[in-house]
Amino acid sequence: EPEVTQTPSHQVTQMGQEVILRCVPISNHLYFYWYRQILGQKVEFLVSFYNNEISEKSEIFDDQFSVERPDGSNFTLKIRSTKLEDSAMYFCASRVEQGILDTEAFFGQGTRLTVV
Amino acid sequence: GESVGLHLPTLSVQEGDNSIINCAYSNSASDYFIWYKQESGKGPQFIIDIRSNMDKRQGQRVTVLLNKTVKHLSLQIAATQPGDSAVYFCAENDETSGSRLTFGEGTQLTVNP
Repeated sequence: EPEVTQTPSHQVTQMGQEVILRCVPISNHLYFYWYRQILGQKVEFLVSFYNNEISEKSEIFDDQFSVERPDGSNFTLKIRSTKLEDSAMYFCASRVEQGILDTEAFFGQGTRLTVV
Repeated sequence: GESVGLHLPTLSVQEGDNSIINCAYSNSASDYFIWYKQESGKGPQFIIDIRSNMDKRQGQRVTVLLNKTVKHLSLQIAATQPGDSAVYFCAENDETSGSRLTFGEGTQLTVNP
């Protein structure tokens, strides 16, 4: 069964460093997402990406964050100058299309980011 | 067993019992709703979805009920099994304003053998 894959599964970084979280969405999907889940809290939307550009972003997704689809398969989230409060599970998700024949978003296993 | 809204984050049931997990949503414009199951250390896993033009949808051992009048969503799990132990999140989407999902707080379901 096709799945969204994320690497690494766990990333430890020092405060102030830059990290890149990587995702390979399901191959025929068109919409890509990043969500964040701080330990013990609910899942929060960060950003959606369609047709090689950001289609929506939340108030969390400020200038510290950026996304990129550098090739036909990868979807990355870059966090610049990481802060302690960036420590969380980061989930990538993808879905086929939006609209009347909508389908659910499929989530990856997540990357646990720990900022020390 | 039954959880009450978002203020009771845990639900403990006996194996074989039916479970009801409740969720209150806030956006009256939401028109698409999903229940996700999240096991420890894993990403959310789709269980079942429902559109706002329906009030009930059934899957295998699961049923979702939607009450738009009071903005309430519930997930019923029949014959709960130990493998059902997980955190369950409801998520909503207003498709006219984008494709983001807004997640609820989550309910920890524990199934006792």
